[in-house]
Amino acid sequence: DADVTQTPRNRITKTGKRIMLECSQTKGHDRMYWYRQDPGLGLRLIYYSFDVKDINKGEISDGYSVSRQAQAKFSLSLESAIPNQTALYFCATSETGGLDEQFFGPGTRLTVL
Amino acid sequence: GENVEQHPSTLSVQEGDSAVIKCTYSDSASNYFPWYKQELGKRPQLIIDIRSNVGEKKDQRIAVTLNKTAKHFSLHITETQPEDSAVYFCAASKNTNAGKSTFGDGTTLTVKP
Repeated sequence: DADVTQTPRNRITKTGKRIMLECSQTKGHDRMYWYRQDPGLGLRLIYYSFDVKDINKGEISDGYSVSRQAQAKFSLSLESAIPNQTALYFCATSETGGLDEQFFGPGTRLTVL
Repeated sequence: GENVEQHPSTLSVQEGDSAVIKCTYSDSASNYFPWYKQELGKRPQLIIDIRSNVGEKKDQRIAVTLNKTAKHFSLHITETQPEDSAVYFCAASKNTNAGKSTFGDGTTLTVKP
């Protein structure tokens, strides 16, 4: 089945380290997103990309960067991790054309000590 | 930008009872309203959505209603079952930033057997 996958699924790191979270999809979707989920705060958008040459900041992009290496791959980087970036991170995809369902990956649980 | 408020944050019901979760949105141009269910330790998945050209949509035990004038929409679950226990998120988006949804903070529903 076409799917959205994320690696790693769990990561513990130390303050100041550079971390990359990877997302791959076999759905053939053009649009990809990175969210973070904190208890009681829902899903907040970090970055999104509508195609390989398009990168846009979301509502909480400070401290993060992204790379869209191909239609199927969208990576999230924390250049210098800090403890308040401890969260559950989700990648998602959707089809071009606008108002459609988002398909989420399984999530990456990141802990910054 | 869009602001989505979701209530209640937690909801506990007896098996067989109905559950209602409400969301309000601020941007009158929003025209797509999906609901996602996130079971414990799982990824969010779409359970139902509604577009602004209809007022109600049903799918078996779940339904969504939309009041564009008041800018609110609600999720209704009838004959609740223990497997309905999960976190439910509402979201809103519009054509001009198609695919970029704003999510509510989530409602934790517990169905007691």
